[in-house]
This record gives sequence, structure tokens and C-alpha cells, in this order.
Amino acid sequence: EIVLTQSPGTLSLSPGERATLSCRASQSGSGSNLAWYQQKPGQAPRLLIYGASSRATGIPDRFSGSGSGTDFTLTISRLEPEDFAVYYCQQYGRSPYTFGQGTKLEIK
Amino acid sequence: QVQLVQSGAEVKKPGSSVKVSCKTSGGTFSTSAISWVRQAPGQGLEWMGGIIPIFGGGGYPQKFKGRVTISADKSTSTSYMELSSLTYDDTAVYYCARVHSSGWFYFDYWGQGTAVTVSS
Repeated sequence: EIVLTQSPGTLSLSPGERATLSCRASQSGSGSNLAWYQQKPGQAPRLLIYGASSRATGIPDRFSGSGSGTDFTLTISRLEPEDFAVYYCQQYGRSPYTFGQGTKLEIK
Repeated sequence: QVQLVQSGAEVKKPGSSVKVSCKTSGGTFSTSAISWVRQAPGQGLEWMGGIIPIFGGGGYPQKFKGRVTISADKSTSTSYMELSSLTYDDTAVYYCARVHSSGWFYFDYWGQGTAVTVSS
């Protein structure tokens, strides 16, 4: 099973700042088969990024993804108030499809 | 516009079973894989398995094999997830999610979630 480790666990930033979230896989079997989701309290996750770097439909271009193999990054270029949430990475290159434990992005 | 609408909250006793439904509207149900993902209180996301309705039969990770059954009714565009031998650790919100049309198992549409509480 591929284990995904996200860092940091919590990131405290202000609106307008740049956020960089990391996701590291325990094995390289995921290739570029990595997605990022945003989840707000009481809501279902929302797909942001797939294929490590492709934005899902309707996702603003301030969200970008990069990486391959075992190291992946989600970058939010300029934080908007609505971006403060929990972010999860997910690998879908090898079953079982696994998620990271999440990074909470909070307002500083 | 694809929408997934799940059944309501459940309270179950330890050792019993729960069956949650997920009705899909929009898109092409028969050829769209549906997966189930759960989230325990304050915890992360866990994939429980999935099904492609046109083929029938579910695929499950080892952790859930023998305890979860995912099925689909093409006539009503509804998927079901049944979890048996419930323990307190199964208390969670259960989501259905549509697998992207590419066939790769990432999820572009989600249900609203169904809270399952296991309590004596």
C-alpha cells in the first residue's frame, strides 16, 4: 500500500500570501497519478488537481500542482479568504487508492 | 450537471449492518464507476472500494474485503454500500463519489455524505 505523508500538518498564513503544501509517497508507483482535494467543514471534498498538475473544471488558476514519482506540491499563489480549508492528496496509480492525512490551512 | 444524492443518517448497534444509497442524476450511470470513501470524526479519507455498474461486482481493498458490499441498480441509477459486523470504529461519514470518466480512480463528483453512528 502506498502511504502518503502530507506536510505541514497545519499551515498558518494570511490572505494574499502564497501557500505551499507537500505530499510525499512511500513508493514511486503513483507516477503522476496524484490528485488534490479541498474540504471545508461539513462539506464533501472538492477535486482541485489531477494528474499531479492539471486543474479540474472551474478551479481558479491560483491553484497549481507539480511533482512526480514520490514528491508532489500544491501551490496556492495568492490566498483568498475562501481558500482556508483542509487539503488532501490522493494517489490513484496503484490500488488500494490512498489519501494523505491532510494539511489544514488556517488564517493567521 | 452530475449530482449524487445519498440517503440519510443512520444509528446502528455494534454487530449489525448498514446499507447506504447513492442516487446519480446526469451523466451516464452504467459506464461511470462509483466509489465509496469514508471519513471518521476528525480524521482523513479512506477508500472503501468501487463498482462499474455495467460490469457489476465491486472491487475492494484488503481491509474491507468480506465486510463491505458495493452494488448498483442500473434501473434507478443508484449505488449501494453495505457494511456488516459494525464496530464503534465504523462511526464515520460515508461518501459516494464518481470516478472520473477517464477511468482513473480520482473523484470529480461527490455525494453530500451520510453519517453513520455505531452506538449501543
